[in-house]
Amino acid sequence: GESVGLHLPTLSVQEGDNSIINCAYSNSASDYFIWYKQESGKGPQFIIDIRSNMDKRQGQRVTVLLNKTVKHLSLQIAATQPGDSAVYFCAEENTGGFKTIFGAGTRLFVKA
Amino acid sequence: DGGITQSPKYLFRKEGQNVTLSCEQNLNHDAMYWYRQDPGQGLRLIYYSQIVNDFQKGDIAEGYSVSREKKESFPLTVTSAQKNPTAFYLCASSIISGGSTDTQYFGPGTRLTVL
Repeated sequence: GESVGLHLPTLSVQEGDNSIINCAYSNSASDYFIWYKQESGKGPQFIIDIRSNMDKRQGQRVTVLLNKTVKHLSLQIAATQPGDSAVYFCAEENTGGFKTIFGAGTRLFVKA
Repeated sequence: DGGITQSPKYLFRKEGQNVTLSCEQNLNHDAMYWYRQDPGQGLRLIYYSQIVNDFQKGDIAEGYSVSREKKESFPLTVTSAQKNPTAFYLCASSIISGGSTDTQYFGPGTRLTVL
């Protein structure tokens, strides 16, 4: 099977609980941030994004929080389901440029 | 049915051989990208292209080559010069808005194994 994420930080949660996945970004000039979900053997799937003029954005069951002071991004998943099990990684961009920096990711396990 | 397709899903290569990975998109995106993904690491950019007949090296371009003859297609060739080619390869595309790129959308990936 797909070995992506073999040595990644792991978060294990009970089905129905909320999950919080954290990401520290590197470039203080980054002004656009994205969260991706990657299931085993598949390509990353866009979940939610946020621009630097916001500190919170909500989607369906997901919320992204941005703290520019400490260069920290988090993804909150409400009522976590078994289908949420995947590797989650953040990406940062400086929209004046052309470079996207991807984090290594966090593996989320959801226990039924 | 719009999206990005990559083929093949799995590819095996003998040492010393060149192989070409396919990436096609029907999203009318201007920009296309190739990334390499290794266990425990973030995506690393190999090449990118913002417009037909033009492409730029990314962070790890050595041992790879690309072409962009059509807007929809951005094939990646892994040459025998690439010292450690076994990896998961991801293609992505995005629009270009206001002179900069927007969110990248990914294909399903190709797993290349060198025997």
